[in-house]
Amino acid sequence: DVKVTQSSRYLVKRTGEKVFLECVQDMDHENMFWYRQDPGLGLRLIYFSYDVKMKEKGDIPEGYSVSREKKERFSLILESASTNQTSMYLCASSPDRAREKLFFGSGTQLSVL
Amino acid sequence: GDSVTQMEGPVTLSEEAFLTINCTYTATGYPSLFWYVQYPGEGLQLLLKATKADDKGSNKGFEATYRKETTSFHLEKGSVQVSDSAVYFCALEQTGNQFYFGTGTSLTVIP
Repeated sequence: DVKVTQSSRYLVKRTGEKVFLECVQDMDHENMFWYRQDPGLGLRLIYFSYDVKMKEKGDIPEGYSVSREKKERFSLILESASTNQTSMYLCASSPDRAREKLFFGSGTQLSVL
Repeated sequence: GDSVTQMEGPVTLSEEAFLTINCTYTATGYPSLFWYVQYPGEGLQLLLKATKADDKGSNKGFEATYRKETTSFHLEKGSVQVSDSAVYFCALEQTGNQFYFGTGTSLTVIP
């Protein structure tokens, strides 16, 4: 089974801190994605990557950056955390073929105080 | 732009009741359509999918038919169980692995 692992299930940070959310997949997928999930808003795409060292902005990239130095790892970075970034963050991956599903991690619930 | 609209919840049903969760989409071309399910404390997992018009996806007693004429992909189950309590997301995928999700519908099934 494909496994997408997010490093933390719960995270509490203070305003202004730099925050790293890590995601690792073990199926050699080319594509990786970061979403945030908020009640009533569903999933919104923050950033995605189709290959190592490549990144593309999603719908809500402001306040975030990403890093993909290795194919299996995709990191989401909050340069200076703010309270409006309190959310559930979901990482996903997929192979580089059309009409393939996304495989999701279990999510990281981030609280910024 | 492409988008997905699904019925708002929460939905509460008694065990063995019939379930319908409506989903409509707006898209250019010929997207693939998906239903994902999120159980409490977990990430999303694929429930079923359909890749072309008139296809029916099915899994675990759930079904959805890709209707191009009505741009819909409604989720149905004839008899729900307590274990079906979860949040359900409708999604479409465009070429280039661009996914668009609905806002999710929370389902609670009571014994």
